[in-house]
Amino acid sequence: DGGITQSPKYLFRKEGQNVTLSCEQNLNHDAMYWYRQDPGQGLRLIYYSQIVNDFQKGDIAEGYSVSREKKESFPLTVTSAQKNPTAFYLCASRADLINEKLFFGSGTQLSVL
Amino acid sequence: AQSVAQPEDQVNVAEGNPLTVKCTYSVSGNPYLFWYVQYPNRGLQFLLKYITGDNLVKGSYGFEAEFNKSQTSFHLKKPSALVSDSALYFCAVRATSDKFYFGSGTKLNVKP
Repeated sequence: DGGITQSPKYLFRKEGQNVTLSCEQNLNHDAMYWYRQDPGQGLRLIYYSQIVNDFQKGDIAEGYSVSREKKESFPLTVTSAQKNPTAFYLCASRADLINEKLFFGSGTQLSVL
Repeated sequence: AQSVAQPEDQVNVAEGNPLTVKCTYSVSGNPYLFWYVQYPNRGLQFLLKYITGDNLVKGSYGFEAEFNKSQTSFHLKKPSALVSDSALYFCAVRATSDKFYFGSGTKLNVKP
C-alpha cells in the first residue's frame, strides 16, 4: 500500500447524504483511479485522472463525482444519487502512461445506515 | 472490447503442491496483461505483467504466469504453494493507454 493513503477505513452514509472518500498519494504519480469492489464482481472503474484539473468517467460514474485540484489528491464523493453505495472503494495511482504498474491504497468500506 | 475472465471463483490446493489460477483474455491488438493479489481488507498488490517477449513471466513471491496466445490465456502458477499464498487473485488487462480492466477474482485457499 505504500505511498497511497485512503481515509477513512470505514464510512457510514445516511439516506440522502453525500459522503467524500479521501485519497492522497506521495509518489508523485500523474494518474489516479477510483475502483469499486463488490463481492464476486471484481473491480469496476468509477473515475480516473491523468493530470491535474482533468478527469474522465469510467464505466460506473453515475452517482459519483471527483476532483483533481492537486496532483497528490483525488477525492471521491458518493452522492445521494448513488442508490446502492455499499461497497469497498479502492484508489490507485500510476506513475505515468508509460509505466504499467498500479499502486493501490488499502481501501474504504462504505456502508449505508 | 478488452476484457479478462477468471472462470474459477475459488481454487483449493494443499501446501507444497503446485497451484494454477486461470485467466483468459479478449483484446484487440497486443495484450498487456497483469496479475494482482489482494489480502483481506487491503488494496491490491502487483505480482507480475506480460507486455511482450517470453511467454513465461516471473513475478513476486515465486509466482509466474504463462502467456498462451493461441488459447488467449494468462494463467498464474507457482510450483509449491504456501499457506501464506491464500488470498484473492485478480487478472487484469490494459484496455487503453490509461484504463485497466480487472477480472472477477479467484480466491486461493492453501491448506496445511
